[in-house]
Amino acid sequence: KAGVTQTPRYLIKTRGQQVTLSCSPISGHRSVSWYQQTPGQGLQFLFEYFSETQRNKGNFPGRFSGRQFSNSRSEMNVSTLELGDSALYLCASSRFPPTDQETQYFGPGTRLLVL
Amino acid sequence: AQKITQTQPGMFVQEKEAVTLDCTYDTSDPSYGLFWYKQPSSGEMIFLIYQGSYDQQNATEGRYSLNFQKARKSANLVISASQLGDSAMYFCAMREGLGTGNQFYFGTGTSLTVIP
Repeated sequence: KAGVTQTPRYLIKTRGQQVTLSCSPISGHRSVSWYQQTPGQGLQFLFEYFSETQRNKGNFPGRFSGRQFSNSRSEMNVSTLELGDSALYLCASSRFPPTDQETQYFGPGTRLLVL
Repeated sequence: AQKITQTQPGMFVQEKEAVTLDCTYDTSDPSYGLFWYKQPSSGEMIFLIYQGSYDQQNATEGRYSLNFQKARKSANLVISASQLGDSAMYFCAMREGLGTGNQFYFGTGTSLTVIP
């Protein structure tokens, strides 16, 4: 079974630009979550999608948005990039609702560098 | 207050020895799950082990075991017979309210280095 895939793996942008990251979950998984990982803030939850609907949202500004398609693939968008948006963006998928032992399976991440 | 606290930024262990990575958590929800992940330098988060709040026994998965002390709100990871490939960042995470969502709270991680 193929794992979670994320594209692109690496990205360099300049301040003020926008970026779109893509995530394909494990086949059969309908829940997709996004996390931002930085050395200073660690791993922070961005949002979770299920059935094309955002279920949960972390404490991030409106510049961070996402969506989910009918095939469960998800994209996240960051507009008006700032230097502080440089991070590893991780996508995770799971079945939904999760059983008590259900874990999230993470993709390899997209490393975004904002110059 | 932090939901997950990992107080050991870095740990060293001799190859073939056992090591314990500490994790304490904070929640008022009676239903929760605790997870440990390994993150090598490549960046991918690898699931290691799970402990449910209602589980009576400590979880074990191969060389990994979880020392779950509910009253103390701790969920320490024990790695037995350390191998060089165990060198990585280790994250403790929690999901509250079983069945209601997939938001995970992560600790700041512990960097483990296995010495030959």
